[in-house]
Amino acid sequence: QKEVEQNSGPLSVPEGAIASLNCTYSDRGSQSFFWYRQYSGKSPELIMFIYSNGDKEDGRFTAQLNKASQYVSLLIRDSQPSDSATYLCAPGGSYIPTFGRGTSLIVHP
Amino acid sequence: ETGVTQTPRHLVMGMTNKKSLKCEQHLGHNAMYWYKQSAKKPLELMFVYSLEERVENNSVPSRFSPECPNSSHLFLHLHTLQPEDSALYLCASSQDLSRAGVRYGYTFGSGTRLTVV
Repeated sequence: QKEVEQNSGPLSVPEGAIASLNCTYSDRGSQSFFWYRQYSGKSPELIMFIYSNGDKEDGRFTAQLNKASQYVSLLIRDSQPSDSATYLCAPGGSYIPTFGRGTSLIVHP
Repeated sequence: ETGVTQTPRHLVMGMTNKKSLKCEQHLGHNAMYWYKQSAKKPLELMFVYSLEERVENNSVPSRFSPECPNSSHLFLHLHTLQPEDSALYLCASSQDLSRAGVRYGYTFGSGTRLTVV
């Protein structure tokens, strides 16, 4: 299985700031990644999929994949209190991905 | 109903009880999954079904018994559980196995919060 590592946090940022969430992975063959968001007591929700080096932007979210350094990140611009959740990364390319532990993000007013 | 529906939302059971968790997906997907999520632990894959055939059994104790009668329904039968089995049990589906890992990922149900007393 493809392993990923995430800092469990919590990462605390003020409202309006950029939140940066990171995920490192061990399998050099990983070509793509998912980012899921999980609110407390709720199920994970897919928010981003990235499959190439560089950046992918979707609204306030930007996913970055750096295959040389084996990390994938999620940037959230203009963070809102409603962004407070746990963010999980998971490698693509397999029907049995290994999810990271998730990073807890707290956006305070 | 749309998406992936799980029932019950909450379940409290004794160690000698037998209960079942139900999952139903209305997305026309061909693959279904059971995941376990314990406090402060990563999501743990338990079982994978593709077109009603089990393709993965991730070293799960026999007190958990899955059943997939058709591609829309998935059950998890529980018996003689232990307190450490208390967790959030999540069902998920994907279009098919090959596309689970590409672009579309999973759609998760809301989960069943299980407490074993």
